Amino acid sequence: DAGVIQSPRHEVTEMGQEVTLRCKPISGHNSLFWYRQTMMRGLELLIYFNNNVPIDDSGMPEDRFSAKMPNASFSTLKIQPSEPRDSAVYFCASSTEGYYTEAFFGQGTRLTVV
Amino acid sequence: KNEVEQSPQNLTAQEGEFITINCSYSVGISALHWLQQHPGGGIVSLFMLSSGKKKHGRLIATINIQEKHSSLHITASHPRDSAVYICAVTGDKLIFGTGTRLQVFP
Repeated sequence: DAGVIQSPRHEVTEMGQEVTLRCKPISGHNSLFWYRQTMMRGLELLIYFNNNVPIDDSGMPEDRFSAKMPNASFSTLKIQPSEPRDSAVYFCASSTEGYYTEAFFGQGTRLTVV
Repeated sequence: KNEVEQSPQNLTAQEGEFITINCSYSVGISALHWLQQHPGGGIVSLFMLSSGKKKHGRLIATINIQEKHSSLHITASHPRDSAVYICAVTGDKLIFGTGTRLQVFP
């Protein structure tokens, strides 16, 4: 398996634009996580899906952020409208079963909002 | 006070030294994770443990549930071990420590 695949690796966008980040989890993994990492706040869990259903979205900062998992092999994280404070590295990870099994991380998407 | 605290924040070592990174937490947990983030940014899960000790190569992780404390040890450290090591705990939610930046010099 190629591991968790995220795209794009880098994204630069202007404030107010819509940004969509994509993730393909490892085949057979039931759980998918979106994280955000900034210098100020470190790693934060944004949302966690199990069997394509959002289980914990308490980390989603505000209504500008939305995440979907239409099937077991694809998830998106959308920011609309984007703001400079959204600049961060966004990681996607997957595991066989939630927090209680080893998570495998994608390479991350570095988002810069100017 | 953070619910998950790591120490030290920064650590410098000479190649070959034995290294210990500590993680203390104040919440009830069901599991603790140690992650490694390389200078290039990629994150790798090193260990997940809920009791006792685990070993993988030169890395050893221990946890004491009663004392709410975990340690990550690196034996015979090498420059390629230079990375940020992050502790995370899972209870009601997933909480990350702020990380320990390790630099190992030849």
